[in-house]
Amino acid sequence: AQKVTQAQTEISVVEKEDVTLDCVYETRDTTYYLFWYKQPPSGELVFLIRRNSFDEQNEISGRYSWNFQKSTSSFNFTITASQVVDSAVYFCALSEAAGGTSYGKLTFGQGTILTVHP
Amino acid sequence: EPEVTQTPSHQVTQMGQEVILRCVPISNHLYFYWYRQILGQKVEFLVSFYNNEISEKSEIFDDQFSVERPDGSNFTLKIRSTKLEDSAMYFCASSVDQGEETQYFGPGTRLLVL
Repeated sequence: AQKVTQAQTEISVVEKEDVTLDCVYETRDTTYYLFWYKQPPSGELVFLIRRNSFDEQNEISGRYSWNFQKSTSSFNFTITASQVVDSAVYFCALSEAAGGTSYGKLTFGQGTILTVHP
Repeated sequence: EPEVTQTPSHQVTQMGQEVILRCVPISNHLYFYWYRQILGQKVEFLVSFYNNEISEKSEIFDDQFSVERPDGSNFTLKIRSTKLEDSAMYFCASSVDQGEETQYFGPGTRLLVL
């Protein structure tokens, strides 16, 4: 069965600090997809990024960057120069490809509460 | 930009009552999902739906739950006889395809069972 672990329950930083959110996953499938979602205080789930298991290239989008390392089954998320508006719960999630035991459903980690102080 | 919508945003009900949560998925999406999030906990998969059939359901999705696509736009989750432990945020999501495709979530319905 697939599993996603976000070991950091809460992180607190001061504005402009860089912060990395860790995500470790388990799956038996060779083809799978990884996601990050943001849940701001208003409660909705906002999609941030999708990565497939064949693409280990790191990605940068503005102040956000993602480091996918298949060798360690990790998909970490870094926010550079954090801002108060980044305060939210961040979820890492995993989905398996066709033929996988959990095809089509997202398995979420427990989430990391990020608080950015001014 | 198209988005998933959900109604109501909040619902309070008495234990044992039936509730129907409504969702309008993104119009060109073919796969629909319900997830729930008990306060302070992770998001959990309930059910996926495609071509007017349930594709997969979790252990949480027991006989008290049902889903329906009554017309071309709405997707509903019904809880027949609510229990206290059904209190949670319920999210609807939709995607163009399964697996590799991104699931886009609605804003959620916060259900409180008294």
